[in-house]
Amino acid sequence: GEDVEQSLFLSVREGDSSVINCTYTDSSSTYLYWYKQEPGAGLQLLTYIFSNMDMKQDQRLTVLLNKKDKHLSLRIADTQTGDSAIYFCAESMDTDKLIFGTGTRLQVFP
Amino acid sequence: NAGVMQNPRHLVRRRGQEARLRCSPMKGHSHVYWYRQLPEEGLKFMVYLQKENIIDESGMPKERFSAEFPKEGPSILRIQQVVRGDSAAYFCASSPEGGSYEQYFGPGTRLTVT
Repeated sequence: GEDVEQSLFLSVREGDSSVINCTYTDSSSTYLYWYKQEPGAGLQLLTYIFSNMDMKQDQRLTVLLNKKDKHLSLRIADTQTGDSAIYFCAESMDTDKLIFGTGTRLQVFP
Repeated sequence: NAGVMQNPRHLVRRRGQEARLRCSPMKGHSHVYWYRQLPEEGLKFMVYLQKENIIDESGMPKERFSAEFPKEGPSILRIQQVVRGDSAAYFCASSPEGGSYEQYFGPGTRLTVT
């Protein structure tokens, strides 16, 4: 089945690290993604990881993939107020549709 | 290089009217995807098109909804006889030939049915 789950809210202090978690159910997923959505806007592709990788780092972003547990995480180092948004993880099994999680609302306070 | 463009950004329709949503993919992109986001929910896949072809419409409601991506011009998502439950944000994404694992999203069209 196709199901992607995320916690709904995360609140962090500015300058701290944020860790957003995601679990998925389809072990045949090929790519896993993190998107950011700001209020009233579309989705911005932050990063993605191929399923045969364990980790990917891109500046302040670190993606960890535990394929055995079907667990994906996004770590944002030195979180800023501009990082406040909804973060969606998504999976795809081929080059077709993306299956999205419900989104995690990240709130950064000073 | 313009991103994915969608218009209108906001659309208000009365029950029973038709809604037409347009999507122009990024330059050089030949794959288009439509997603729907209900309030406080994640995005749900609707349809995947390439030029003049529907590749996967497994997420499209069986009635009233149709999509096309003609040889020339934008992709169109058409909703006939709209109902209140169609109120949502509709997002279009595009990807390049051979790189469909990267989907780039437009700003969305927010449809309100009164």
